[in-house]
Amino acid sequence: AQTVTQSQPEMSVQEAETVTLSCTYDTSESNYYLFWYKQPPSRQMILVIRQEAYKQQNATENRFSVNFQKAAKSFSLKISDSQLGDTAMYFCAFIDNAGNMLTFGGGTRLMVKP
Amino acid sequence: NAGVTQTPKFHILKIGQSMTLQCTQDMNHNYMYWYRQDPGMGLKLIYYSVGAGITDKGEVPNGYNVSRSTTEDFPLRLELAAPSQTSVYFCASSPRHTNTEAFFGQGTRLTVV
Repeated sequence: AQTVTQSQPEMSVQEAETVTLSCTYDTSESNYYLFWYKQPPSRQMILVIRQEAYKQQNATENRFSVNFQKAAKSFSLKISDSQLGDTAMYFCAFIDNAGNMLTFGGGTRLMVKP
Repeated sequence: NAGVTQTPKFHILKIGQSMTLQCTQDMNHNYMYWYRQDPGMGLKLIYYSVGAGITDKGEVPNGYNVSRSTTEDFPLRLELAAPSQTSVYFCASSPRHTNTEAFFGQGTRLTVV
């Protein structure tokens, strides 16, 4: 079974600065998909960015980018020019082509300070 | 387009009682999921379904049951509620399980007292 680990329970960053959230995963599959979800205080789950394992190029969505290291099974999220609205829980998630279970990490609580 | 709708949003249940959390999606998605999220924690998969009539256990299925009689509906049944089932429950759906995102409902906050 796959596992997803987020080793940073909490992080803080000053507004306009850059922060990186870590995620590692364990799988024996070669083809899979990775996601970062944001959960603000409203509890809604919002997709931030996705990465397909067979693509070597790191995904980017505006201020959000990932550093995908397939050999190391690492999938970190970089938030540039942090904004107060980025304050939220961030979850890393994994699913492979062989299975049907979308698996989440334990989350990182990010606080953006003014 | 309503997306994924969960009812109720909040509920207090007494120990030993049973209840059903409702989940409906109007996007014609095949895949549906139930997760629980304990305070300050990540989401743990309870049950999932890949289509009408097909369900399977996730990480933490004990104390729960599901059914999927239609594509739209995926109710979660709690039998003999226990305090350990106090949590926020999320239902999600996706058109297929690979590179597409899962769409989540707003969650149900359940307290068992």
